[in-house]
Amino acid sequence: GQNIDQPTEMTATEGAIVQINCTYQTSGFNGLFWYQQHAGEAPTFLSYNVLDGLEEKGRFSSFLSRSKGYSYLLLKELQMKDSASYLCAEDPGNTPLVFGKGTRLSVIA
Amino acid sequence: DGGITQSPKYLFRKEGQNVTLSCEQNLNHDAMYWYRQDPGQGLRLIYYSQIVNDFQKGDIAEGYSVSREKKESFPLTVTSAQKNPTAFYLCASSIALGAGTYNEQFFGPGTRLTVL
Repeated sequence: GQNIDQPTEMTATEGAIVQINCTYQTSGFNGLFWYQQHAGEAPTFLSYNVLDGLEEKGRFSSFLSRSKGYSYLLLKELQMKDSASYLCAEDPGNTPLVFGKGTRLSVIA
Repeated sequence: DGGITQSPKYLFRKEGQNVTLSCEQNLNHDAMYWYRQDPGQGLRLIYYSQIVNDFQKGDIAEGYSVSREKKESFPLTVTSAQKNPTAFYLCASSIALGAGTYNEQFFGPGTRLTVL
């Protein structure tokens, strides 16, 4: 089966950098997504990785190692509005995305 | 404007009543999904549909039913058989679903169902 692991909660200071890790296990792999979800709202797309390496998009970057079943989301220059849950989702390809339980990030002044 | 709509945003029902949550998309997506989210939990898949008139059970389908009579619409019925129906329900869609395709899911705003 598929098992997505990510930390439950993290706290970081405004202006700092935070890294949210995600590990996954799957027999088929079609890519890995990161979504951001503010409380009471829908998840919104942040990034997608299918090849090994780092994908940078402004203040957010995402890394993937397929051989290790590992990804991380890196958030730089943290802002208060970055306080949200961050969902790691593995794409098996022929079946729907499998979501982790999410990491609740609190940004403090 | 293309997107996914869910209505209503908040819904209250008495225990023992069936309730249907609507989900409509005008993105011309083939695949649609229903998820349930409980406090502190991730998204759990209820049902999904890859094409009109076809759907498959997800991880927690018991007590729920769906239909896919039109490409744009994928309503979810929460039946009285569902033991703990109070939750946040999210509908999503993707262009398609398959190996080698880009399967990003786009989400509707969600419906918060409270059963009293």
